[in-house]
Amino acid sequence: AQKVTQAQTEISVVEKEDVTLDCVYETRDTTYYLFWYKQPPSGELVFLIRRNSFDEQNEISGRYSWNFQKSTSSFNFTITASQVVDSAVYFCALSEAGIYNQGGKLIFGQGTELSVKP
Amino acid sequence: NAGVTQTPKFQVLKTGQSMTLQCAQDMNHEYMSWYRQDPGMGLRLIHYSVGAGITDQGEVPNGYNVSRSTTEDFPLRLLSAAPSQTSVYFCASSYSTSLVGGEQFFGPGTRLTVL
Repeated sequence: AQKVTQAQTEISVVEKEDVTLDCVYETRDTTYYLFWYKQPPSGELVFLIRRNSFDEQNEISGRYSWNFQKSTSSFNFTITASQVVDSAVYFCALSEAGIYNQGGKLIFGQGTELSVKP
Repeated sequence: NAGVTQTPKFQVLKTGQSMTLQCAQDMNHEYMSWYRQDPGMGLRLIHYSVGAGITDQGEVPNGYNVSRSTTEDFPLRLLSAAPSQTSVYFCASSYSTSLVGGEQFFGPGTRLTVL
């Protein structure tokens, strides 16, 4: 069965601190996709990154970086030098590949609410 | 491009009423999905469609119907609203390639309250 676990329900940091959001997933498929989405207080879902299971390279985008480790089934997200605008709920999600499912069905984690205080 | 649009943004229903949440996309995406978001539970898939005329159930389909007569539209019908269906509903669409999983584009959401 597919499952995504974000064990951290809430995290609170002070601005400029680094923070890592954990994501652990379960799947039997060898081909799958992992995503991170941000949901700011306004409520919309903002796509941050997609990673397929064959690409274990870490990725950095500005202050954001992602660490994908298949050996531990983890896809962690780090924000460096956090800012107040980073305050949001962050969701990790999994999609298994298949003839009719190449990103069409997402299994979401419960979300981590990040609060960055000035 | 308007992207993914949803109407209405807010809705209050009485128990037993029926209604349709509208979703449309103008990106010619094959995949469309409906999710519901409840506190502490993330988003859960209700129904999805891989193309016009093809739909399937997700994780929490009971109490909801869908149809996909065109590529652009994917309405979600609540047959007989119940308080347990109070939630925020998101529609999403994505393209498909054989090489990478498609990014899902989400609509702004519909906040539904069932009294």
